[in-house]
Amino acid sequence: QQQVKQSPQSLIVQKGGISIINCAYENTAFDYFPWYQQFPGKGPALLIAIRPDVSEKKEGRFTISFNKSAKQFSLHIMDSQPGDSATYFCAASPKETSGSRLTFGEGTQLTVNP
Amino acid sequence: KAGVTQTPRYLIKTRGQQVTLSCSPISGHRSVSWYQQTPGQGLQFLFEYFSETQRNKGNFPGRFSGRQFSNSRSEMNVSTLELGDSALYLCASSFIGGIDYGYTFGSGTRLTVV
Repeated sequence: QQQVKQSPQSLIVQKGGISIINCAYENTAFDYFPWYQQFPGKGPALLIAIRPDVSEKKEGRFTISFNKSAKQFSLHIMDSQPGDSATYFCAASPKETSGSRLTFGEGTQLTVNP
Repeated sequence: KAGVTQTPRYLIKTRGQQVTLSCSPISGHRSVSWYQQTPGQGLQFLFEYFSETQRNKGNFPGRFSGRQFSNSRSEMNVSTLELGDSALYLCASSFIGGIDYGYTFGSGTRLTVV
């Protein structure tokens, strides 16, 4: 019940295209859903996060869509750029930990071709 | 401002030995979390410390322990190392917790057990 399932495992898009990564969870106690970006040799970096009381959050080219009833959330990267090529992780944290105990998805390796 | 600093960056240990990893959080951050990252298991939460107290704990054996000092610096210790402990160990810090402030990760310590 603690798992977060992420898909696809890898994704290749053309420059300017839209990248979409999906995540699903089972634990209804999760109430904080961040997305992280990781480049080789670096730690994950927080991109954007959402709480269940909103269905969508946008920051620049990055948008999170959240479907509470389906227990699914997704990351959309608009106008994808070669510099976006990295591994992306969704994560979730239960309410009682105030966002401090993150359960991560398996990761998606995104490649944006020039 | 300086980011999260982890030392050492690389470490090679022999099975059965113990190891101590260090993490200096961003100045002013009081919450420090530790994660293990492996190709097979992905990113897994180890524990979180806040104001020198362990606030959350993941599902790792007792060989994995940690502590936090009054200046918020944290250390994690792994005793009786096993080959399966080979991983990237990541430290992340936040002002109070993840929800309102997010976590900033360091670049990690790459531990190899031979």
